Amino acid sequence: EPEVTQTPSHQVTQMGQEVILRCVPISNHLYFYWYRQILGQKVEFLVSFYNNEISEKSEIFDDQFSVERPDGSNFTLKIRSTKLEDSAMYFCASSAGTATYEQYFGPGTRLTVT
Amino acid sequence: RKEVEQDPGPFNVPEGATVAFNCTYSNSASQSFFWYRQDCRKEPKLLMSVYSSGNEDGRFTAQLNRASQYISLLIRDSKLSDSATYLCVVNAFYNQGGKLIFGQGTELSVKP
Repeated sequence: EPEVTQTPSHQVTQMGQEVILRCVPISNHLYFYWYRQILGQKVEFLVSFYNNEISEKSEIFDDQFSVERPDGSNFTLKIRSTKLEDSAMYFCASSAGTATYEQYFGPGTRLTVT
Repeated sequence: RKEVEQDPGPFNVPEGATVAFNCTYSNSASQSFFWYRQDCRKEPKLLMSVYSSGNEDGRFTAQLNRASQYISLLIRDSKLSDSATYLCVVNAFYNQGGKLIFGQGTELSVKP
C-alpha cells in the first residue's frame, strides 16, 4: 500500500539554525500539506500546496517557513531560523483530490530545538 | 467557540463494550468530515470518512448531522487494539484541497 514517507524521524538543532524536513508524498497525489503537533496539543495546519504553489497557509506559517517541491517527488519544509517554540512533531500529508479530499499522513519528524 | 470540539475523555472501557464519541464543529461551511485515530506519538491514521447518510465499516459506525453540526463515532465490541486517541476532523474547503481542522481528540483505553 502506498504511503507518505518523511525524513529524518528525529532532528535536534540549536536555536537560530536552519532545518529542512523532507517528505515523499504518495506518488499520484496532487495536494500536499504540512501540519505540526506540539506535545500534548492538537494537530495544527501549517500550509497546503497545489500546482507548485501555496494554496493556503496558517498564521503559524510566517516568513521563517517555506515549502518547496524541488524535483517532482520530494516536498520540503524549511525553517530558516529555529526557535524553541518550533519544537514539535511535523507531519506531511498528501491527497489525491477525490471528492472528500482524504489526506494521508507520514510518520512525522520530531524536531527538538535546544 | 472551538472550531472542532470533542468529548474530553479519557474513556476507559472493558473489552467487548460499545463506546460512542461525540464531536461538534462551528463552521457550517465545512464540507467533509473524518475520524482519524492516533496512537501515542504516531501520525494520525484515517479511520473513516463521514457521510451525511451515515456509514459503517465493520464495528465502526459514523453519523453526521449537518443541521446540528454534530458528528459521532460508535465502536461496537471494542478490542484491546482499539486503544488510541480518536480525532474528529473537518475540512472547510476554502481553497484547493482545503485544510484539515482537528479536534483535541478523545483518548480510549480498552481493558481486558
